[in-house]
Amino acid sequence: GQQVMQIPQYQHVQEGEDFTTYCNSSTTLSNIQWYKQRPGGHPVFLIQLVKSGEVKKQKRLTFQFGEAKKNSSLHITATQTTDVGTYFCAGHPPKGPFNNDMRFGAGTRLTVKP
Amino acid sequence: DVKVTQSSRYLVKRTGEKVFLECVQDMDHENMFWYRQDPGLGLRLIYFSYDVKMKEKGDIPEGYSVSREKKERFSLILESASTNQTSMYLCASRLSRFLSNQPQHFGDGTRLSIL
Repeated sequence: GQQVMQIPQYQHVQEGEDFTTYCNSSTTLSNIQWYKQRPGGHPVFLIQLVKSGEVKKQKRLTFQFGEAKKNSSLHITATQTTDVGTYFCAGHPPKGPFNNDMRFGAGTRLTVKP
Repeated sequence: DVKVTQSSRYLVKRTGEKVFLECVQDMDHENMFWYRQDPGLGLRLIYFSYDVKMKEKGDIPEGYSVSREKKERFSLILESASTNQTSMYLCASRLSRFLSNQPQHFGDGTRLSIL
């Protein structure tokens, strides 16, 4: 079945440093979604990428979808303490078997030292 | 705003008990999902449902069952709780799988401890 691998598992940065998390799928995806879970909270949807090679920005966050639609990345420029949390990617397979739905990566837990 | 409500924030049960986790959404969403979250393993899909009376197995359905008798409610059942089912359980809903690019909306989670 579809698998979504995400690295690194943990990342600790000094405030102001950049941060990147990577997501790789064993199969081609129709789209990929990114979620953020604050400590003690639940995952909250950030963005979705659909097109091959797509790049989207949200302030200091840059999301990319690979040309082959099998990998994606989230890059945060100049991290702030408010960026602390776990970032998940979730890959949606192409339309196919009725019961094949989105799968989440294991997440990257980001901590930021002030 | 979508509201997904899980019946309990914390729950403690004993080995062998039958445990019910309830989830209700208020936005007439067709799809609902149950995940468990464990450190280092992320969100693992247990069961999901595309509509009332429908259910599909996720990646780790063993030891669990689900019920979707009404559109707004999706219940997760641990038939005979075991200690390895101690975990954080998250419920999510989505408008429809036929509308592309729909996000999932999560509840606050139930932290379940099996003693």
